Amino acid sequence: GENVEQHPSTLSVQEGDSAVIKCTYSDSASNYFPWYKQELGKRPQLIIDIRSNVGEKKDQRIAVTLNKTAKHFSLHITETQPEDSAVYFCAASMGGTSYGKLTFGQGTILTVHP
Amino acid sequence: NAGVMQNPRHLVRRRGQEARLRCSPMKGHSHVYWYRQLPEEGLKFMVYLQKENIIDESGMPKERFSAEFPKEGPSILRIQQVVRGDSAAYFCASSPSPGLAKETQYFGPGTRLLVL
Repeated sequence: GENVEQHPSTLSVQEGDSAVIKCTYSDSASNYFPWYKQELGKRPQLIIDIRSNVGEKKDQRIAVTLNKTAKHFSLHITETQPEDSAVYFCAASMGGTSYGKLTFGQGTILTVHP
Repeated sequence: NAGVMQNPRHLVRRRGQEARLRCSPMKGHSHVYWYRQLPEEGLKFMVYLQKENIIDESGMPKERFSAEFPKEGPSILRIQQVVRGDSAAYFCASSPSPGLAKETQYFGPGTRLLVL
């Protein structure tokens, strides 16, 4: 089955700096890659996703890049703010015509210091 | 749109009791997924259901766990004879009907199960 590895497990940055979180996946059939943000005691919230027919996607301060050949994808957050502090999870699935079971990475605890 | 609803939000059970977790998907969504999150860990897939059908239960423990999504009413995750190791947050997610972007999953607030 699919296996998703996520690094780093913790990331500490100063407000205004950029943060990058990286994930690798094992199954070349995976074609959908969402990122979720989870605050303490809350539900995972989708922040951005990318499908395998796209190499990069951006939404304001958040961007995701995908390298299908290397089977890795990354989350980039620019101009970080204290409210960005949370746990971030990457995931992979075989979406589209197949079912969309998500395989999650282990999570990255991001701390943004004011 | 009320989003994905789960209840109860917190559930305390003693070892050997049964736990029933409920999930109402977003309006218009017919795909439901259950995930389990152990303390300070990621989410692990348990089961995928459509109305009246279990599509994939490859993540479900073979014993004591079952799930259903009846034609009417919420999806139910049932854990019989709970043990302390079942203590976790159980999240339900739903996605749109086929023909739309059915990969996108929206999560409910979760049920925190504590087994004493």
